[in-house]
Amino acid sequence: NAGVTQTPKFHILKTGQSMTLQCAQDMNHGYMSWYRQDPGMGLRLIYYSAAAGTTDKEVPNGYNVSRLNTEDFPLRLVSAAPSQTSVYLCASSYGRDSNQPQHFGDGTRLSIL
Amino acid sequence: GNSVTQMEGPVTLSEEAFLTINCTYTATGYPSLFWYVQYPGEGLQLLLKATKADDKGSNKGFEATYRKETTSFHLEKGSVQVSDSAVYFCALKGSSNTGKLIFGQGTTLQVKP
Repeated sequence: NAGVTQTPKFHILKTGQSMTLQCAQDMNHGYMSWYRQDPGMGLRLIYYSAAAGTTDKEVPNGYNVSRLNTEDFPLRLVSAAPSQTSVYLCASSYGRDSNQPQHFGDGTRLSIL
Repeated sequence: GNSVTQMEGPVTLSEEAFLTINCTYTATGYPSLFWYVQYPGEGLQLLLKATKADDKGSNKGFEATYRKETTSFHLEKGSVQVSDSAVYFCALKGSSNTGKLIFGQGTTLQVKP
């Protein structure tokens, strides 16, 4: 049971380049989300999806997301900026309610020069 | 809005010392509270949780009690080990049922032999 798998683990981009961070889970979880982790800031939610084919909130500037199926939840940086340098963590759970713990991937460490 | 505040780190202890990491929160309604742990190079793992007032979450010797009167969820362990060295995050999930986790900034714990 792989859980939540993120690729790549590390990447360096130049300003203006685009890239897709991959996230896949094999637990048949409906709810998936992306966080960014920055020193002294904890984790901050970027976007979440309650189920395949759904979008639940406005996507923040600079990012693009899709949820075409249950397993995959890619996050695309459209035109990378240095402010997007961060560790990106993907998480999934069965549902939104409080009793459903979120399972996290190991993260993608992204540097934008 | 909802927020979580953790004691600043890093916290450095000797093996077998008593650990307390303070966490306080601000939230409307009745949130659920969580502690996550992140070992070096890994993603976050759920350590323990409490979903209502006066609940005590426990796991691997760690404990935390949901105190609504003081809006706190302090993490404790009676005797820490070197293997407990990690970053600890306090988090809440609000009662609005969006599934969004609000994290504190994280506390780094270093245990020396």
